[in-house]
Amino acid sequence: AQSVAQPEDQVNVAEGNPLTVKCTYSVSGNPYLFWYVQYPNRGLQFLLKYITGDNLVKGSYGFEAEFNKSQTSFHLKKPSALVSDSALYFCAVRDGAGGSYIPTFGRGTSLIVHP
Amino acid sequence: EPEVTQTPSHQVTQMGQEVILRCVPISNHLYFYWYRQILGQKVEFLVSFYNNEISEKSEIFDDQFSVERPDGSNFTLKIRSTKLEDSAMYFCASSEGFSGGWEQYFGPGTRLTVT
Repeated sequence: AQSVAQPEDQVNVAEGNPLTVKCTYSVSGNPYLFWYVQYPNRGLQFLLKYITGDNLVKGSYGFEAEFNKSQTSFHLKKPSALVSDSALYFCAVRDGAGGSYIPTFGRGTSLIVHP
Repeated sequence: EPEVTQTPSHQVTQMGQEVILRCVPISNHLYFYWYRQILGQKVEFLVSFYNNEISEKSEIFDDQFSVERPDGSNFTLKIRSTKLEDSAMYFCASSEGFSGGWEQYFGPGTRLTVT
């Protein structure tokens, strides 16, 4: 079975500071990992994904994520936060060894960037 | 940029009534999905649809739910006899491919309130 955890309901960071939104996962085979962002009154928007290759993945809006197999983590990062980054962030995982093509989503982490 | 659209944005219905939630996926996408999110909880998979038939469904997607692609653009979710616990945000999504590495594109959601 596949599962994903986002241990923080909310992350607060000052504008200009680096941000990290945490995600850990559990799968039987190789993981396919995704980050999505949801702005108010909008659907989830794809940010980036890890399928294979380099552990550091770069995505939209200056975000990046690091795949760490030993720690089963896929934390989302950005070197310098913007107020406009304030949103709800979802991590998702799909087990490459599983029969289902459907990803499992985390509960979401609310990122608040203070001016 | 192409977007997934959903109507209505908010639907209020009485318990026991039928509701139809509508979605227009991105035009060149072939795979369609419905998810729901009860307030404060995880994004939960309901069903996936390809080539005019259900590909996968979760245990949530019981006999009171159905999906249809009535024409070349719309994708609908019908709930035959709504229950209070059906109150949630319902998201439609589409993807170009179906294997594990394809990202999904989500609509803004329909908030269903059952009274």
